[in-house]
Amino acid sequence: AQSVTQLGSHVSVSEGALVLLRCNYSSSVPPYLFWYVQYPNQGLQLLLKYTTGATLVKGINGFEAEFKKSETSFHLTKPSAHMSDAAEYFCAVSEGQGGSEKLVFGKGTKLTVNP
Amino acid sequence: GAVVSQHPSWVICKSGTSVKIECRSLDFQATTMFWYRQFPKQSLMLMATSNEGSKATYEQGVEKDKFLINHASLTLSTLTVTSAHPEDSSFYICSARAYLVGELFFGEGSRLTVL
Repeated sequence: AQSVTQLGSHVSVSEGALVLLRCNYSSSVPPYLFWYVQYPNQGLQLLLKYTTGATLVKGINGFEAEFKKSETSFHLTKPSAHMSDAAEYFCAVSEGQGGSEKLVFGKGTKLTVNP
Repeated sequence: GAVVSQHPSWVICKSGTSVKIECRSLDFQATTMFWYRQFPKQSLMLMATSNEGSKATYEQGVEKDKFLINHASLTLSTLTVTSAHPEDSSFYICSARAYLVGELFFGEGSRLTVL
């Protein structure tokens, strides 16, 4: 069975500082990995995804993530945090591209950006 | 990008009544839709997978008679919470897969409060 562990339910950074949100996964097959962002009382927006190929994936809003098979990790980073980045972030894993296959979500990490 | 719309965004109902939540894909045909439930400050839990024209597949522990899902067309799926009780209060989110594309798009979510 697949699973996702997000280390740290809350992360707080200063505006302009590096953002690092950690995600480790478990999967018996080559995984497809996703990061989603959720603003209060809203649905989820896809930030980026890894399917195959290049392990460093660039997404929207300056975020990127690197797939490290040896570490079973898919950490999300952004060089310089902006106030608008404050939100809940979810890492997810799927056996496929997230189509008919199910997505399994981590518990989420709430990012706070301090001025 | 593709848009998935949920209605209503907010609903308050009395205990014992039934509530219907709609999930529409506005600019694409969705062969598969997923319904998730999200408790406060927690992750999304998949409730069921619905394919157009067939019965929904429910996750273990989800009462199919309580959470009725209908996917009558390629652009509409509905979730009906029957005989709602306060413990059914939650944030319900749908997602839809664009036919032949594979990416999932999420609705804005519907917050149900049962008094």
